[in-house]
Amino acid sequence: SSELTQPPSVSVSPGQTASITCSGERLRNKYVCWYQQKPGQSPVLVIYQDDKRPSGIPERFSGSNSGNTATLTISGTQSMDEADYYCQEWDSSTAYVLFGGGTKLTVL
Amino acid sequence: QVQLQESGPGLVKPSETLSLTCTVSGGSISSDYWSWIRQPPGKGLEWIGYIYNSGGSTNYNPSLKSRVTISVDTSKTQFSLELSSVTAADTAVYYCARGVWDGFHGKFEDWGQGVLVTVSS
Repeated sequence: SSELTQPPSVSVSPGQTASITCSGERLRNKYVCWYQQKPGQSPVLVIYQDDKRPSGIPERFSGSNSGNTATLTISGTQSMDEADYYCQEWDSSTAYVLFGGGTKLTVL
Repeated sequence: QVQLQESGPGLVKPSETLSLTCTVSGGSISSDYWSWIRQPPGKGLEWIGYIYNSGGSTNYNPSLKSRVTISVDTSKTQFSLELSSVTAADTAVYYCARGVWDGFHGKFEDWGQGVLVTVSS
């Protein structure tokens, strides 16, 4: 299968930890990125190469990839983190790009 | 930081060809992977394809490959998208983006603001 599966929605209370998963066949052999997209805005890269943060991205954003599941973790979630989050892989054999279906993070 | 700006018609008739241009500023277009990504209203992101190697090579989403052409004009630091035989299902916000890929690690570092294209008669 060439799909990346994300939960449609995740809810978290302010100050708590949010975890968003991305599952895919053979994902353990691939590198995953994560993008944050707020309403009406373009996506912003928040994690690349599984666990690296671009400059300017807060330290509360972290990533991991184990087994067939990659995880974006937001520690001490703030209301400003409410957004849609997408995982993405770039297949090293086909050079195709694949996005997950997206997860809406709600900070209650 | 590279900046990207999409331009093109916001309304296209069914069966016609959608044409968009992305103007790149603040960097060279001779390297990296210059990409088109779309997002239907209320839905997720879909990769369309990219051009690289100074325009000498392309790679397209298999589901769109028969209808897509991406080209580059290095003199103008622009790259373009053509999507033929459009239907209402092609209505989406279209983004251009700069991809960086080394064969193992890939990411889209810079994105345009996006342009909404509606397919309707």
